[in-house]
Order: sequence, then C-alpha cells, then structure tokens
Amino acid sequence: SQQGEEDPQALSIQEGENATMNCSYKTSINNLQWYRQNSGRGLVHLILIRSNEREKHSGRLRVTLDTSKKSSSLLITASRAADTASYFCATGDYGGSQGNLIFGKGTKLSVKP
Amino acid sequence: EAGVVQSPRYKIIEKKQPVAFWCNPISGHNTLYWYRQNLGQGPELLIRYENEEAVDDSQLPKDRFSAERLKGVDSTLKIQPAELGDSAVYLCASSPMRGTEAFFGQGTRLTVV
Repeated sequence: SQQGEEDPQALSIQEGENATMNCSYKTSINNLQWYRQNSGRGLVHLILIRSNEREKHSGRLRVTLDTSKKSSSLLITASRAADTASYFCATGDYGGSQGNLIFGKGTKLSVKP
Repeated sequence: EAGVVQSPRYKIIEKKQPVAFWCNPISGHNTLYWYRQNLGQGPELLIRYENEEAVDDSQLPKDRFSAERLKGVDSTLKIQPAELGDSAVYLCASSPMRGTEAFFGQGTRLTVV
C-alpha cells in the first residue's frame, strides 16, 4: 500500500527555473522525507522534516510541511539538468507498532538545458 | 563506508523457476527493508526487519515469497515459483532506526519470461 501521493506526476522545466512538487498523505506521521531516484538507480535521501517542523532548507532544496492539511512541498531552486530524476515523498512513523517507511508514486522531473 | 550492497544487479529467469536476492546492509543498521518497484511507480514495502525479527511482513505474498535475515545482518529474499507479474526492481534499504533516513542499494532488476 502507498501512503503519499505526489503532484504533479510529471514536470518539465527549463534550466534555471524553480521546480515545486507536492505530496499529500493520509495518516498521522512522525516525519516526512524526500528521495531522488535517477533512471535505473537506487533512491537517495534528500531531506527529512519532522512533524513539529514547518520548513527546512538544504542547499537549493526547501521543504515545507503542513500537518493540518497532511501535505508537504519540495522546492528546488535554480534547477539544473542534473536534477532530472524522479522525486518521491515517504512518510515515517516510529511510534507504537509502526515504523515502516511508505513511499508515494513520485514526480518525474525533467530539466531541459 | 560501504553502502547497501545488493546482488545480483540483473536476473532473467523463466516463469515457475526460483530466484533469490541478497542484501548486505550498512554496518550497524538494525532496520532493513525490502521493497518492490514496478516501472513508473514508487517502491512498495514487502517486509521490514528490526535486527533478525520480521516485524512487518503484511505485504509479502507468503505463498511464493520468503525472506530471512541472518544474525540480524545480511538478508535474502526468495521467490518460488516466479510468475510473470513478479518482474520488477527489488530494492533493499537499511536504516539506523526505523522510520528515519533509509539508505538504498542499487536494486536487482528481475525479468520473468
């Protein structure tokens, strides 16, 4: 089963533009994470935001979390061709009997030079 | 430090044959996940281990899939017999603590013909 759902499913932009991806989830969470997957490769962790945080930055990445709306967004500023990849949100909950890391279906980002 | 190692990288088998995948997680990581990823989809959790205990195998098709984690370190995932619909990428990931940042291997691409 999948918890998160990313929007849009696909996004095509020019190099230098900003890219925004959204994620909605269903249940209460402890944290939300974003991962990147280049074609044919494994997933790479980008950033983790805890449920008591509203915004977090890492380099050109900015993540927001709205627990009241059960949604998160990932902003990539000044995009580069190397940012072309699929991006997934994943919810983590290490409370109680949970602890699984559940992924959404992903947003496929294409950055054109 | 070595990352998560999976083998083989690719496997082609005929339907009804058995197949096994191996995963060596990052040293000291107690949590180990196996995911299945179909083309264009997000990873779907099959099983999660905490040390040597399978704490969540609710999504593992137990009629044909089995898994084990020896001494809480290496893990194997087996399919017997394989079906055409099992064609997918099988990903292994490990984490220092459940629900937190996960580190993924490169995956095993299985093709059942």
